[in-house]
Amino acid sequence: NAGVTQTPKFQVLKTGQSMTLQCAQDMNHEYMSWYRQDPGMGLRLIHYSVGAGITDQGEVPNGYNVSRSTTEDFPLRLLSAAPSQTSVYFCASSYSLNSHNEQFFGPGTRLTVL
Amino acid sequence: ILNVEQSPQSLHVQEGDSTNFTCSFPSSNFYALHWYRWETAKSPEALFVMTLNGDEKKKGRISATLNTKEGYSYLYIKGSQPEDSATYLCAFHNQGGKLIFGQGTELSVKP
Repeated sequence: NAGVTQTPKFQVLKTGQSMTLQCAQDMNHEYMSWYRQDPGMGLRLIHYSVGAGITDQGEVPNGYNVSRSTTEDFPLRLLSAAPSQTSVYFCASSYSLNSHNEQFFGPGTRLTVL
Repeated sequence: ILNVEQSPQSLHVQEGDSTNFTCSFPSSNFYALHWYRWETAKSPEALFVMTLNGDEKKKGRISATLNTKEGYSYLYIKGSQPEDSATYLCAFHNQGGKLIFGQGTELSVKP
């Protein structure tokens, strides 16, 4: 198993550009989520999904869209990048909502918005 | 707003010291409490997932306790080693499916 994979690893954008951060898992996990990590803030939940076709907002959803058309993939879209979205983004997955399983994290995507 | 607080923010100990840190979380709508270990330049890795009030879990020199009624969990490291240096994160998992992380406790163990 590859586990949770994220692409790209690094990205530089200009203000106003859009892009999609990719996340995929091959563990047949129902639950997937996106976090951003900023200094002194820990991990903040952006959006999450409890299964294909179902998404919900986390703590900091503004400026981001998600979709979950398959169990494996959970892309995060930045519609119009802003410098405040400079961060490290982590995707995570776990078996299901109704389980007490740990989350598995991807390697992260470091995004800089100029 | 779900508030998950960890203390202290950072901790510097000598090799061989035992140490502990705290995670406080809402006492209502509880589903599980997670602990993760996060080394620099790596991804967080799970240590424990705790579900029942009074739970105690242990992995080697690391152990954790859970009090859901008062909303806190302790993580203990016995005989700290330099390789224990990392940020330790707790996360409150509510019944709606959200997993909310604390800011973490950064542990540095000096040889």
